[in-house]
Amino acid sequence: DAGVIQSPRHEVTEMGQEVTLRCKPISGHDYLFWYRQTMMRGLELLIYFNNNVPIDDSGMPEDRFSAKMPNASFSTLKIQPSEPRDSAVYFCASSLAPMFQGPNQPQHFGDGTRLSIL
Amino acid sequence: GQNIDQPTEMTATEGAIVQINCTYQTSGFNGLFWYQQHAGEAPTFLSYNVLDGLEEKGRFSSFLSRSKGYSYLLLKELQMKDSASYLCAVRDPRNTDKLIFGTGTRLQVFP
Repeated sequence: DAGVIQSPRHEVTEMGQEVTLRCKPISGHDYLFWYRQTMMRGLELLIYFNNNVPIDDSGMPEDRFSAKMPNASFSTLKIQPSEPRDSAVYFCASSLAPMFQGPNQPQHFGDGTRLSIL
Repeated sequence: GQNIDQPTEMTATEGAIVQINCTYQTSGFNGLFWYQQHAGEAPTFLSYNVLDGLEEKGRFSSFLSRSKGYSYLLLKELQMKDSASYLCAVRDPRNTDKLIFGTGTRLQVFP
């Protein structure tokens, strides 16, 4: 089974540029989550989708961040304009529905995108 | 608020046993997860506890006490490859779709 697939694995860009991160969830998973991980703050949930619909974006730091899920097999997280403080590892995760499949459903993570904004 | 505490770092010797603790303060409880994350890699699911007691999976076991808001991950017969960060996470009682993660415990195993 293919896991969660993210691209690119690494991105280095200059401040002010637009950055687009991509994610393909595990086929059949209803939920997709975007996280940001830093040494100081650990794993923080940015936004999540259920059946392609954004449910909770309260973790999105500011208007420079946006996320879309145009279909069940693809999601993007966009930062425009990017700033040095956005440097972090961004993870995408997917899962089956906890409400219907049970609360023991784990989230499955992709390998992440390591983003560096210069 | 919802809070999870784990030690930041631990060290242990190959072949030994190590216990990684996690305490949580949440307004309710719907289950606790342990994840392993090797440096530069994705977190991978290790275990899930929702009832009090010990869940064993090979060299790894996870324990839960709901009354104490406490869990631990027990790693036996440590191997060098067990050097990683171990993340404790609980289902958000306000929204059970979400997980709240601790900042993780970095374990270094020495020969």
